[in-house]
Amino acid sequence: DAKTTQPPSMDCAEGRAANLPCNHSTISGNEYVYWYRQIHSQGPQYIIHGLKNNETNEMASLIITEDRKSSTLILPHATLRDTAVYYCIAGANQAGTALIFGKGTTLSVSS
Amino acid sequence: NAGVTQTPKFRILKIGQSMTLQCTQDMNHNYMYWYRQDPGMGLKLIYYSVGAGITDKGEVPNGYNVSRSTTEDFPLRLELAAPSQTSVYFCASSDSGEGVGELFFGEGSRLTVL
Repeated sequence: DAKTTQPPSMDCAEGRAANLPCNHSTISGNEYVYWYRQIHSQGPQYIIHGLKNNETNEMASLIITEDRKSSTLILPHATLRDTAVYYCIAGANQAGTALIFGKGTTLSVSS
Repeated sequence: NAGVTQTPKFRILKIGQSMTLQCTQDMNHNYMYWYRQDPGMGLKLIYYSVGAGITDKGEVPNGYNVSRSTTEDFPLRLELAAPSQTSVYFCASSDSGEGVGELFFGEGSRLTVL
């Protein structure tokens, strides 16, 4: 799995877009980028994942640079309930491969 | 669907005791995982399974054992509990899909070894 680098913490105002960066400069061509989040001490929750193309779902958008060395998770309209630790994971290109979680970014959304 | 169910939610063990953390999923997923999370840290993989009868070690397997006799169940056994095993344990499951697909996590089992 490729190593990822995320800022330890970020702040965002409620209603504004939250842009969470992730560096994964050693990612290989067939490795995916995954984003999960963990609210308080609950189990992690899947957000989104992608390989090369940008992806969007009901929760967020994932923007991957053309060289795939970095990506950004975008929460378009952050709410207080989005306050959580966000994990960016690069690797695991086939079913059954384990995901390796780092320390993530603590996002604090305030009113 | 209940998803991924873990029991017990909380447990206190004495040093040297043994116990089993139970994990059951009702989504017919082939892949199951056990992670541990120490305070303020990310998750570390203990063991995982790609199907009934098949298990493999993760990053931190020492002091643990697993079995996978059915698709639904993936129990984690702690032998001779030590204070270093005080942690929150998460079980997860996934189905085949793009990459590893989406992992579904349980609510966690909080273990304290005194």
